[in-house]
Amino acid sequence: AQKVTQAQTEISVVEKEDVTLDCVYETRDTTYYLFWYKQPPSGELVFLIRRNSFDEQNEISGRYSWNFQKSTSSFNFTITASQVVDSAVYFCALPTAFSSNTGKLIFGQGTTLQVKP
Amino acid sequence: DTAVSQTPKYLVTQMGNDKSIKCEQNLGHDTMYWYKQDSKKFLKIMFSYNNKELIINETVPNRFSPKSPDKAHLNLHINSLELGDSAVYFCASSPGTSLRGETQYFGPGTRLLVL
Repeated sequence: AQKVTQAQTEISVVEKEDVTLDCVYETRDTTYYLFWYKQPPSGELVFLIRRNSFDEQNEISGRYSWNFQKSTSSFNFTITASQVVDSAVYFCALPTAFSSNTGKLIFGQGTTLQVKP
Repeated sequence: DTAVSQTPKYLVTQMGNDKSIKCEQNLGHDTMYWYKQDSKKFLKIMFSYNNKELIINETVPNRFSPKSPDKAHLNLHINSLELGDSAVYFCASSPGTSLRGETQYFGPGTRLLVL
């Protein structure tokens, strides 16, 4: 069955520290996308990235980077030089099985990141 | 311009009441979703419509009834509200459905509190 595990429930860092949020998934699909979303204290869900399982190159966007490793079924998210505005809950997500063409996403439990000044 | 909008943003009501939440997207997407986020932040899909056709109907009490008058709108009606219905309800949309996963764009959420 499809599953997403974010084992880190809460992380607290001091501003300017680097922080990595872990995401481990289980899927029986051979091709799929993985997603990260951010939920700041204001409550909305903000799309961050969609990554194709064919492409294992690291993705970098400003201070954000993503490391996708198919061999370990992980899709980790690193924030470099964290800032207070990065404080949020971060979700990793995976579509349901290949045979289920419904667009359904399975979300991890979320990791709450607190960045202290 | 708001891509996915929901109304109301906050909803406080008494147990037993009936309430509706409205969702509209102006992205031209074919697929819309309702999610429920509980107090522990766990996000779970409830329903999905693709071109006004129901394609996902998770194990949700039949007090919850979605309605899609057109592909830009997906409303959620809840009958006989219970305390356990208190949560944040998110609407989302995606260009369509694909086997590998389409990006879903979320509305701001509706915070429902049942007293």
